[in-house]
Amino acid sequence: ETGVTQSPTHLIKTRGQQVTLRCSSQSGHNTVSWYQQALGQGPQFIFQYYREEENGRGNFPPRFSGLQFPNYSSELNVNALELDDSALYLCASSPEGGREQYFGPGTRLTVL
Amino acid sequence: GEDVEQSLFLSVREGDSSVINCTYTDSSSTYLYWYKQEPGAGLQLLTYIFSNMDMKQDQRLTVLLNKKDKHLSLRIADTQTGDSAIYFCAERPGGSYIPTFGRGTSLIVHP
Repeated sequence: ETGVTQSPTHLIKTRGQQVTLRCSSQSGHNTVSWYQQALGQGPQFIFQYYREEENGRGNFPPRFSGLQFPNYSSELNVNALELDDSALYLCASSPEGGREQYFGPGTRLTVL
Repeated sequence: GEDVEQSLFLSVREGDSSVINCTYTDSSSTYLYWYKQEPGAGLQLLTYIFSNMDMKQDQRLTVLLNKKDKHLSLRIADTQTGDSAIYFCAERPGGSYIPTFGRGTSLIVHP
């Protein structure tokens, strides 16, 4: 069984640019959540996708958007990057009705 | 809203027990989680408990819940150097998709 994978591992962008991060959920999992983890902090919930629809969103501006595809993989898009967007972005998947989330290794985004 | 608090650091000697504490604020039925994060890695789910339980044990891990004080603890028996990591407590109300994480407790295990 393949776990949650994310790409790329690391990314460097400049302020104002746009970025797309990708996540493949664990086999059989139809729910994907995205988190932002700043240095020294716990993960902050960005949003969750269930069967290709967003069904929960944290306190993040609209320039953070996402997609989920029919195979349940997902993308996180961030427009107009700001310096404070520098963080580890984590994706987590869970099965239908599951109480447990399984995290990927994350993408480290640095905005210069 | 929910708020989850943890102490930031804990240092123990190899072979001793570690106890990591967490307090939460939500008063409704809630799920409470413990995750482990090693350097440069994602979060690994260790265990979770629903708020109608008092205790859960899984091998070296014991979770204790004091509902009255909204206090959760994770005890690691026979702590090993491989247990050195950051441990996160998280709360998710039963009717919500949105978990709230604490800032994490950095566990340092020394010989």
